[in-house]
Amino acid sequence: GAGVSQTPSNKVTEKGKYVELRCDPISGHTALYWYRQSLGQGPEFLIYFQGTGAADDSGLPNDRFFAVRPEGSVSTLKIQRTERGDSAVYLCASSLIGGSEQYFGPGTRLTVT
Amino acid sequence: SQQGEEDPQALSIQEGENATMNCSYKTSINNLQWYRQNSGRGLVHLILIRSNEREKHSGRLRVTLDTSKKSSSLLITASRAADTASYFCAVRYNAGNNRKLIWGLGTSLAVNP
Repeated sequence: GAGVSQTPSNKVTEKGKYVELRCDPISGHTALYWYRQSLGQGPEFLIYFQGTGAADDSGLPNDRFFAVRPEGSVSTLKIQRTERGDSAVYLCASSLIGGSEQYFGPGTRLTVT
Repeated sequence: SQQGEEDPQALSIQEGENATMNCSYKTSINNLQWYRQNSGRGLVHLILIRSNEREKHSGRLRVTLDTSKKSSSLLITASRAADTASYFCAVRYNAGNNRKLIWGLGTSLAVNP
């Protein structure tokens, strides 16, 4: 595809529910990143994939957060038992190799009520 | 906090003036990147400067890196109203095989016509 795409663009869910956020990276990009961004803040690193494996998941805030990239392309960020504090814009980015310039998707705005 | 620091937090200038934003970081880096974010286009990569480089140019953008002071600056010359956006620096630190980016809080730039 032409760029990184993310679905859904908006997600409203009730506290305690489970959500999945999807990211389609640029074709051929081996590195994929998940961030979340709150209003007035910079992106906060969550997890980085190199191919199918999570190379660095040190940013995941707790075990309610999990991400997969089973075929080395599309990735899904999964959040269990959502809390109001999880409300943020979740950003996905991809790059040719890890650590180089990143291309961002438009984000998914998650609101937990 | 893992985040770097940027200053100023907000900057307001007239069209045609130059804008300078600064970024400081904590330990030795592999590279430092500048990104722009506005509501219309999301996060967009501007420039990547490596730790062994001191200055890079791209159009009206000039980035400098001073590793002795652990700081970088982004200069936008002859600013335009379309440059109105938030600008973030992101660093790739040198620790091990670390390939994630750590982001600053951003500078909000307003260019008045």
